[in-house]
Amino acid sequence: SQTIHQWPATLVQPVGSPLSLECTVEGTSNPNLYWYRQAAGRGLQLLFYSVGIGQISSEVPQNLSASRPQDRQFILSSKKLLLSDSGFYLCAWSRDAKNIQYFGAGTRLSVL
Amino acid sequence: AQKVTQAQTEISVVEKEDVTLDCVYETRDTTYYLFWYKQPPSGELVFLIRRNSFDEQNEISGRYSWNFQKSTSSFNFTITASQVVDSAVYFCALSEVYNFNKFYFGSGTKLNVKP
Repeated sequence: SQTIHQWPATLVQPVGSPLSLECTVEGTSNPNLYWYRQAAGRGLQLLFYSVGIGQISSEVPQNLSASRPQDRQFILSSKKLLLSDSGFYLCAWSRDAKNIQYFGAGTRLSVL
Repeated sequence: AQKVTQAQTEISVVEKEDVTLDCVYETRDTTYYLFWYKQPPSGELVFLIRRNSFDEQNEISGRYSWNFQKSTSSFNFTITASQVVDSAVYFCALSEVYNFNKFYFGSGTKLNVKP
């Protein structure tokens, strides 16, 4: 069966520090991968998606970037965090024609 | 443009009451998918159901049921005999069939089920 892992679960970072969140999928190959952000009490905002290694599409211009160095690995990064980067970050994957997205447990990021 | 509206920001019910969560969508596509996800306090989104736009049959799964009506562009979700464990934020979403990367989420409805 397929599983998706996200880490860390919780992160507190000072403004101006770098960020690296990692997401990996097991049990499937060539998945579509997604990064979402959810601000407190708000809906989900799609940040990036990837259909293959090295292929990244950005939905919202911002202080963040994404990379896909391996087939089942998706990384969300920032060189310098802003206060507005605080939120709940969710990684998701999809694979089959049903287009169902399956989500990780998320990372709660607080930028202070 | 695709859009999903969940007008109910928060609903509170007492255990064993029935509750319906509304979802209205906008799309110019004739073929699309509709979804419901549950987000418990832990944060992870849990997939509940996917509906193809060609299939307007209502679906029942235990205490959950979904009413899909293309004529009103609605995909409502009913929980019968609600339980405290149903307390969560519920998201409705729409995706394009021919662009597998695009999900359009509603803003979510927070359901509070009180004992």
